[in-house]
Amino acid sequence: GESVGLHLPTLSVQEGDNSIINCAYSNSASDYFIWYKQESGKGPQFIIDIRSNMDKRQGQRVTVLLNKTVKHLSLQIAATQPGDSAVYFCAETPFSGNTGKLIFGQGTTLQVKP
Amino acid sequence: DTEVTQTPKHLVMGMTNKKSLKCEQHMGHRAMYWYKQKAKKPPELMFVYSYEKLSINESVPSRFSPECPNSSLLNLHLHALQPEDSALYLCASSVKLNSPLHFGNGTRLTVT
Repeated sequence: GESVGLHLPTLSVQEGDNSIINCAYSNSASDYFIWYKQESGKGPQFIIDIRSNMDKRQGQRVTVLLNKTVKHLSLQIAATQPGDSAVYFCAETPFSGNTGKLIFGQGTTLQVKP
Repeated sequence: DTEVTQTPKHLVMGMTNKKSLKCEQHMGHRAMYWYKQKAKKPPELMFVYSYEKLSINESVPSRFSPECPNSSLLNLHLHALQPEDSALYLCASSVKLNSPLHFGNGTRLTVT
């Protein structure tokens, strides 16, 4: 079935440390994954994406890792800052044709302690 | 500021009212979306439009009626809503299907 979930609802890290947010998905045919950040009172903001033909993709201070063997996705944030505090969602596009259907996971709240 | 503009930001309506939510983007995107988000929950897909044609309706009740008058505009017409329809309604657009979505900041809807 279609299911995207995260391992922990809340992650608390010290400012300056690295953060790792995990996500499990169940549809082995999924071919496109996106991480979004949602701050209070705002819509989700695109962070980084990865397609199933890649294992790793890097952006500015962020890295996404995809392990298709165990159907696991992670978002790594380097040198976490107070402005990184938000809810992070992984999202998956199941391979069911070019439908535009995007399924969100439950979300992890990242709290950055000063 | 987001490049997807939603109006109004807040809306309070009674169960017998008719209202509309509006969404606008000028990025030349050809796919547009409506999502519903309850507090502390992920966004849930409602509708997808591609090239002004409805391509996905996620079994949304008929009291929600989407409309895409042109490639820049997306409306959501509301009629006879229930209190449980109170939520944040998010609009998004993308260059095409299966490319990153750009979200607006939503309309906070309260049904009394």
